[in-house]
Amino acid sequence: KNQVEQSPQSLIILEGKNCTLQCNYTVSPFSNLRWYKQDTGRGPVSLTIMTFSENTKSNGRYTATLDADTKQSSLHITASQLSDSASYICVVSQGGGNEKLTFGTGTRLTIIP
Amino acid sequence: IAGITQAPTSQILAAGRRMTLRCTQDMRHNAMYWYRQDLGLGLRLIHYSNTAGTTGKGEVPDGYSVSRANTDDFPLTLASAVPSQTSVYFCASSEDIRSDTQYFGPGTRLTVL
Repeated sequence: KNQVEQSPQSLIILEGKNCTLQCNYTVSPFSNLRWYKQDTGRGPVSLTIMTFSENTKSNGRYTATLDADTKQSSLHITASQLSDSASYICVVSQGGGNEKLTFGTGTRLTIIP
Repeated sequence: IAGITQAPTSQILAAGRRMTLRCTQDMRHNAMYWYRQDLGLGLRLIHYSNTAGTTGKGEVPDGYSVSRANTDDFPLTLASAVPSQTSVYFCASSEDIRSDTQYFGPGTRLTVL
């Protein structure tokens, strides 16, 4: 069964600190992996997308990594800001013409001043 | 440009009542989707549409119906609401069914009593 597991479930860090969120998946065949940010009461917004051949991709203070061999991805947030408080959702797309998306349950990140 | 909008923002509904959640996008995207998001679960696909005039079933379609009469609108109907349909509903769109990024609406919080 295709699954996307994220850890930790929730995380609280001080403003200005760095943090790393994890995503493990069992989706096969793999097409791409995306990280979304979802603010409270809002819809998810895309942060990054990586295909099989990409190991790392950055979007400002967000850096995503992908290890397709171990089926793991991480999202690193540098110099956190209060506005980074949100849920971060890992989404894996199935390839082979299926294009089915499997969503993780998200990591709830809280930045405290 | 509004992007993708949903209405209503929230609704409390008696069990057994009929309810239609509205979704409109102005990006001329071909593909549209309806998801529900429940605590502890990832976003789950209810129905989708590859293009105007076509619809398909997602992971959890029972109790829901959709229509796609034109490119912009993709309403979701609950014919006879039940308490288990209490959830936050997100509409999304993408350029086509194989596009990398889906753009999400702000969500509709539905409570069925």
